[in-house]
Amino acid sequence: EAGVAQSPRYKIIEKRQSVAFWCNPISGHATLYWYQQILGQGPKLLIQFQNNGVVDDSQLPKDRFSAERLKGVDSTLKIQPAKLEDSAVYLCASSQALGDRGFPEQFFGPGTRLTVL
Amino acid sequence: AQSVTQLDSQVPVFEEAPVELRCNYSSSVSVYLFWYVQYPNQGLQLLLKYLSGSTLVKGINGFEAEFNKSQTSFHLRKPSVHISDTAEYFCAVGPANNLFFGTGTRLTVIP
Repeated sequence: EAGVAQSPRYKIIEKRQSVAFWCNPISGHATLYWYQQILGQGPKLLIQFQNNGVVDDSQLPKDRFSAERLKGVDSTLKIQPAKLEDSAVYLCASSQALGDRGFPEQFFGPGTRLTVL
Repeated sequence: AQSVTQLDSQVPVFEEAPVELRCNYSSSVSVYLFWYVQYPNQGLQLLLKYLSGSTLVKGINGFEAEFNKSQTSFHLRKPSVHISDTAEYFCAVGPANNLFFGTGTRLTVIP
């Protein structure tokens, strides 16, 4: 079974530039998550989708961050314009649909390391 | 509100020695607790989880954790570590759709 795929793995940009990250979840997983992991901290949830609808985006800085999952499969996260404090690893995770039997385990991709200069 | 405190940012331990990584939590709702491991340049992998039932939970790679409601703790243990256990370990608390992670503990196994 293929895992969660993310690209690019690394990205270096200057402040005020734009950047986009892509995530392809595990096939059949209805729920997709984007996390921000700043160096020395644990991952923080930015946004969660179930199929192509947003379940929770309460911690997404909406003035500069946006995300979409148009066809309910892969997703993109965009930052426009980037700030120095956006330097972090952006992790994508997916799980079976919420409400299914048991507690749906989240499977994480390898992340995209963003450096803003 | 939920939060997780990992008391040790770094834990060095000799190979084949036992280890305990500490985690304390607070939660105003039903408690679900998790331990994840992150190897260098990789995503997080679930080690084990507590949802209900037995307070001693066994996970992968020989790790186990004990849920202690009175002490609001969920410490991770392994009786004998290997070099390959060197990684970052994260404790998390949540409902299914909103995990709160601790700041992580870097476990370094010394040969």
